[in-house]
Amino acid sequence: DAGVTQSPTHLIKTRGQQVTLRCSPKSGHDTVSWYQQALGQGPQFIFQYYEEEERQRGNFPDRFSGHQFPNYSSELNVNALLLGDSALYLCASSLILSRAETQYFGPGTRLLVL
Amino acid sequence: DQQVKQNSPSLSVQEGRISILNCDYTNSMFDYFLWYKKYPAEGPTFLISISSIKDKNEDGRFTVFLNKSAKHLSLHIVPSQPGDSAVYFCAASDSNSGYALNFGKGTSLLVTP
Repeated sequence: DAGVTQSPTHLIKTRGQQVTLRCSPKSGHDTVSWYQQALGQGPQFIFQYYEEEERQRGNFPDRFSGHQFPNYSSELNVNALLLGDSALYLCASSLILSRAETQYFGPGTRLLVL
Repeated sequence: DQQVKQNSPSLSVQEGRISILNCDYTNSMFDYFLWYKKYPAEGPTFLISISSIKDKNEDGRFTVFLNKSAKHLSLHIVPSQPGDSAVYFCAASDSNSGYALNFGKGTSLLVTP
């Protein structure tokens, strides 16, 4: 049973550039959430996608956008990168019909902005 | 503002003893709580959860206790094993207003032989 997968594993960008991160959910899951984990902090919720629409959004600027495809996979896009965007970006998947939304995480993409 | 707090950044326990990790929350609307374990260079791994209608949930060596009046939960690991050494995150969600998990900053557990 394939778990949540993310690509790439590491990425280095410079300020002002744009980046796209990708996520494939756990088999059977239909919902994808994205989190940002800065060094020494817990993950912070960016947004969640279900049925190809953004279902909820955390306190992140519009530079952060996303997309969900018909096969439930998802992309996170960040425009006009800032040094402070350097973090581990985690994707989590869940099943919308489950009573309690336990989210299962991928290994993350580590982004470094120089 | 941090709605989920893990006030102990680190904990060291001897193998075979009990590990107790604590978590406090401020939002009384939280109704679902989870613990995740994270190894370096990996994503968080789901460990155990508890709904607000319960005060205890057990899964093997792991037990989570919820005290709603104190807005406090704890994770007990008995007996602790060296392989339990990892960072443990407490998370909470409010199912009535959204789906986001609110995480604490984590507690680094070291289990020594």
